[in-house]
Amino acid sequence: DAGVTQSPTHLIKTRGQQVTLRCSPKSGHDTVSWYQQALGQGPQFIFQYYEEEERQRGNFPDRFSGHQFPNYSSELNVNALLLGDSALYLCASSGERERADTQYFGPGTRLTVL
Amino acid sequence: LAKTTQPISMDSYEGQEVNITCSHNNIATNDYITWYQQFPSQGPRFIIQGYKTKVTNEVASLFIPADRKSSTLSLPRVSLSDTAVYYCLVGGNTGFQKLVFGTGTRLLVSP
Repeated sequence: DAGVTQSPTHLIKTRGQQVTLRCSPKSGHDTVSWYQQALGQGPQFIFQYYEEEERQRGNFPDRFSGHQFPNYSSELNVNALLLGDSALYLCASSGERERADTQYFGPGTRLTVL
Repeated sequence: LAKTTQPISMDSYEGQEVNITCSHNNIATNDYITWYQQFPSQGPRFIIQGYKTKVTNEVASLFIPADRKSSTLSLPRVSLSDTAVYYCLVGGNTGFQKLVFGTGTRLLVSP
């Protein structure tokens, strides 16, 4: 049973560029959430997708957008990258058979903005 | 969402029992208490969850007093591999549930 997978593992971009991160949820899960984790901090909620729609969003600017596909996989897009966007980006999935606060995280994508 | 307070860091030695206490004075009636563990450069991992009294699994125990304003994660006989950050979260089970993490407790286990 595959867990949550994310790609790429690491990414280096320059300011102003755009980036796309990808996530495949755990088998049987239909809800995907994205979190940003700065160094030394806890993960911060970006947004959540269910049935291909964004249904909740954290305090992040519109530069952060996402998408969920019919197979429940998801993408996180960040436009006009800033130095402060450097962080570990985590994807988490959850499903109907468990509580919504029981989420399974992927290994993350380390984004470095130069 | 209820705010949680936990120690910034703790030190222990291999073989000892570690207890990490979390305060959540404003916990709501429907909220559960959930603990996650995170190793460096990895995503958090669900450890244990409970509503009241005591919950035990193969990894840890969770003690919750009757007033539910605090909880204690107990790790029996820790090893070096238990060195990680431990997060205490409280929340409900709504379909739109987001996890609210604090800065967590950094546990360092030494030989």
